[in-house]
Amino acid sequence: GENVEQHPSTLSVQEGDSAVIKCTYSDSASNYFPWYKQELGKRPQLIIDIRSNVGEKKDQRIAVTLNKTAKHFSLHITETQPEDSAVYFCAAISGNTPLVFGKGTRLSVIA
Amino acid sequence: NAGVTQTPKFQVLKTGQSMTLQCAQDMNHEYMSWYRQDPGMGLRLIHYSVGAGITDQGEVPNGYNVSRSTTEDFPLRLLSAAPSQTSVYFCASSGTGGWNEQFFGPGTRLTVL
Repeated sequence: GENVEQHPSTLSVQEGDSAVIKCTYSDSASNYFPWYKQELGKRPQLIIDIRSNVGEKKDQRIAVTLNKTAKHFSLHITETQPEDSAVYFCAAISGNTPLVFGKGTRLSVIA
Repeated sequence: NAGVTQTPKFQVLKTGQSMTLQCAQDMNHEYMSWYRQDPGMGLRLIHYSVGAGITDQGEVPNGYNVSRSTTEDFPLRLLSAAPSQTSVYFCASSGTGGWNEQFFGPGTRLTVL
């Protein structure tokens, strides 16, 4: 089955700097790659996703890139703000089974 | 729409007790799943269902049972609670297009003493 690795496990950045979180996946048939944000005590919420026929997608300050050959995808957050502090999860899906998640990255934005 | 709802929000059990975590969705989603979340372990899949009457095991199914008698409800049963089942449990559902965007419930925080 699919295996998703996520790095780093923790990340601290200064407010206004950029943050990058990277994930790799094992199943070359995977075709959907979402990113979820989870604030303390809350449920995971989808912030951006990308499909295997697209190399990059942007939504305001966040972007995701996908390299199918290398089987990795990344989340980029620019101009970070304190409210970006949260745990971020990447995930992948292949076939008819639910999402497989990475172990998460705790992002701290220091004001 | 209420989306995905879960009850209870918090629960404390003693070792060996059984209980059912409730999950319901009002979005007419066919696909539903249960995850557990432990510190540093991400979200691990317990069981899932692609429609009423159909269930399958995920990565960590031992100690848990599920059933799907209706499209709306997908309860998770702990047969004999163990301290290793202390965790936060999330139910999720997804609709059109299969397992793509999954909507999560608010979670149930379970402690087994």
